[in-house]
Amino acid sequence: DAGVTQSPTHLIKTRGQQVTLRCSPKSGHDTVSWYQQALGQGPQFIFQYYEEEERQRGNFPDRFSGHQFPNYSSELNVNALLLGDSALYLCASSSYNGQQYFGPGTRLTVT
Amino acid sequence: KQEVTQIPAALSVPEGENLVLNCSFTDSAIYNLQWFRQDPGKGLTSLLLIQSSQREQTSGRLNASLDKSSGRSTLYIAASQPGDSATYLCAVHYGGSQGNLIFGKGTKLSVKP
Repeated sequence: DAGVTQSPTHLIKTRGQQVTLRCSPKSGHDTVSWYQQALGQGPQFIFQYYEEEERQRGNFPDRFSGHQFPNYSSELNVNALLLGDSALYLCASSSYNGQQYFGPGTRLTVT
Repeated sequence: KQEVTQIPAALSVPEGENLVLNCSFTDSAIYNLQWFRQDPGKGLTSLLLIQSSQREQTSGRLNASLDKSSGRSTLYIAASQPGDSATYLCAVHYGGSQGNLIFGKGTKLSVKP
């Protein structure tokens, strides 16, 4: 079992650009959640996808959007990047019991 | 507002000491509570998960307790080792199995040889 995988590992973008991050859930999991972790802070919930729909959303602007595919993998898209979007983006997958398993994260740097 | 607080923010101990990390949460209607370990620049490794109906969980040198009524959890690490050096995050799961995690800011632990 490969666990939760994320790509890419690192990414450098310029202010105003758009970025797409990808996540493959653990085998047997149908729910994907995304978190943003700024340096020195705890992760903050962005949104959660289930059955290809956004089920819950945290306090993030509409520049943050996502998608879930029929194979349960997911994408996080961020438009009009700001310097403050620089962070570690974590993906977590879960199944019926809700326990979340995290991937290694994608480090996004906005210059 | 649901908030999770971790004290202390940083801790430095000599190898071999027993230590306690603290986590408090404002809303006692939790689904479960989880302790994670995070190495610098890396993802989260789950250490222990305590269901809302449980009082404690143990794994090796780690023991986590939960007191829902007082809104507190502790992570006890016995006989600390330099390899235990990392940031420890407490996360409270609200909203049932379909809910999300609320994290504290973490305790950065350094164990000196």
